[in-house]
Amino acid sequence: GESVGLHLPTLSVQEGDNSIINCAYSNSASDYFIWYKQESGKGPQFIIDIRSNMDKRQGQRVTVLLNKTVKHLSLQIAATQPGDSAVYFCAEKETSYDKVIFGPGTSLSVIP
Amino acid sequence: NAGVMQNPRHLVRRRGQEARLRCSPMKGHSHVYWYRQLPEEGLKFMVYLQKENIIDESGMPKERFSAEFPKEGPSILRIQQVVRGDSAAYFCASSPPPRGYEQYFGPGTRLTVT
Repeated sequence: GESVGLHLPTLSVQEGDNSIINCAYSNSASDYFIWYKQESGKGPQFIIDIRSNMDKRQGQRVTVLLNKTVKHLSLQIAATQPGDSAVYFCAEKETSYDKVIFGPGTSLSVIP
Repeated sequence: NAGVMQNPRHLVRRRGQEARLRCSPMKGHSHVYWYRQLPEEGLKFMVYLQKENIIDESGMPKERFSAEFPKEGPSILRIQQVVRGDSAAYFCASSPPPRGYEQYFGPGTRLTVT
């Protein structure tokens, strides 16, 4: 069945280093992917998205890479800051369906 | 522009009682989604509604759970005869028309069943 999963459940990085969070998906029909950040006690916050006709998209300090060949998605955070500490979820969606399928999440801890 | 609002933020119910969770979408948004999150887990889709219509309820448990989004007022997620397994955080998201690609989440309601 459909699934979106993460390779690493936890990640610790030094402040200032770059972070890479990985995600695998199995539904080849998914054509829209999103990364969310969830801080403790709060709702998920949209970070960046990418459509399947792209393989890279950049935002402010964040970059999402999509490799459709191996069904892999990654989120890169440049110069990681303490405020980046949170749980990060990848999510997928098919254009023809309305629901978003979330992966289990990766907890990012930034060491000052 | 106020974000998605949910209330209450915390709700405690005894087994067998009813829980009502409210969600007010962002201004101009006509699509509402409900998700459930168990501790240490991701969000699970429950239901997608537009005004006065349930579009996709494939994630809703068959019994005890219902949702509505009336013409006026907030969307309501209703859980009848709650059980301990219903304890979770329930998040609402909204998106603008025509189709909900980018969803904006509320702060969630944390339901505890004692």
